[in-house]
Amino acid sequence: SQQGEEDPQALSIQEGENATMNCSYKTSINNLQWYRQNSGRGLVHLILIRSNEREKHSGRLRVTLDTSKKSSSLLITASRAADTASYFCATDGGSNYKLTFGKGTLLTVNP
Amino acid sequence: DTGVSQNPRHKITKRGQNVTFRCDPISEHNRLYWYRQTLGQGPEFLTYFQNEAQLEKSRLLSDRFSAERPKGSFSTLEIQRTEQGDSAMYLCASSAGTGSEKLFFGSGTQLSVL
Repeated sequence: SQQGEEDPQALSIQEGENATMNCSYKTSINNLQWYRQNSGRGLVHLILIRSNEREKHSGRLRVTLDTSKKSSSLLITASRAADTASYFCATDGGSNYKLTFGKGTLLTVNP
Repeated sequence: DTGVSQNPRHKITKRGQNVTFRCDPISEHNRLYWYRQTLGQGPEFLTYFQNEAQLEKSRLLSDRFSAERPKGSFSTLEIQRTEQGDSAMYLCASSAGTGSEKLFFGSGTQLSVL
């Protein structure tokens, strides 16, 4: 079963615009991670936010976490065509080893 | 760090045949995972190794599936008597263990069962 659910399922924007993706999850977590996947490839880790953190930044990425609402958001600023990919949130469900992934958001950045 | 390597990249087989996939994790990583991903879905957890010990298997992993990590290095995933529903991308990932929860994924093996 999938723990996280991303919203929207698909997002299409113009280069230079910001993209926001949301993730909701069901159980308690130690941390939440975001991954990116280009078509037909493996996943690449983007950022990890711990349950006691509310916001984290990495380059053009900004992640927020609201444990009371069991939700997270990923903001990509000043998007580029190369950001076109699927983005997944993953939660550990309180374990220290197993990640459960959502269904992902397919982001298309048009040049 | 040469990354996680999976072979083959693609496998086409006929229903009923057995297939085996190999994963070589990052050399110092003691944790190894197998996930399965179908089109439009996120990866689904199949099984997890800590060194050579298989510590968890998903209920998704029927008795036709078996995974090994004999020396705590590379791993193999075998599917016996393949079915069309086994068609998917099989992803391997590794991590350094407690305190480093980030997973490093291979490029996957795309299985097509005809």
